Amino acid sequence: SAVISQKPSRDICQRGTSLTIQCQVDSQVTMMFWYRQQPGQSLTLIATANQGSEATYESGFVIDKFPISRPNLTFSTLTVSNMSPEDSSIYLCSVPGTGGRNEQFFGPGTRLTVL
Amino acid sequence: AQKITQTQPGMFVQEKEAVTLDCTYDTSDPSYGLFWYKQPSSGEMIFLIYQGSYDQQNATEGRYSLNFQKARKSANLVISASQLGDSAMYFCAMREDYYGGSQGNLIFGKGTKLSVKP
Repeated sequence: SAVISQKPSRDICQRGTSLTIQCQVDSQVTMMFWYRQQPGQSLTLIATANQGSEATYESGFVIDKFPISRPNLTFSTLTVSNMSPEDSSIYLCSVPGTGGRNEQFFGPGTRLTVL
Repeated sequence: AQKITQTQPGMFVQEKEAVTLDCTYDTSDPSYGLFWYKQPSSGEMIFLIYQGSYDQQNATEGRYSLNFQKARKSANLVISASQLGDSAMYFCAMREDYYGGSQGNLIFGKGTKLSVKP
């Protein structure tokens, strides 16, 4: 299975500021996914990040608000910009399994609270 | 469009008993994968089990088994011999699986909160 780490694990931020979340994977993967889970809700895909190309954003999410970097095949960052209390969520990165297996794994998540 | 439905917001089960968590799905894709995840209060998403749409046998992983009924478009999770540590949110998810790889994103249901009673 893939080992995925995220930093920070949690943070409390003031409105109007930005936070960058890091996702590190222990193996090279083509695609990485960023999800958001608002309190008491299910997971929603924010964007798909491919190395060497612009991220693809889902409806309702825009690059100015959630810029993503994917500098190599093991690392990605998601920035939550100009935060408001509605951005309080768990943010998770996810990668498909490797070696021909069909799992999909998630990082431990970043729990963000915006005051 | 793909859709996952979990109709049980919450479930209770007695320790050591088996429990079934329901999941139905809708898709027009011929090739897809079905997943179950466990989310404890810590927030991490723990992969439990995967079932491919063309798999002939139901998937099993330890105490977890997936009751896959393709014609009914259902993919229920069965947990045998429940333990107190099984108390968590459980999410069913679906992904379009491309030939030769698994590169699509997951669509999630709303989840079922399972509580195991001692």
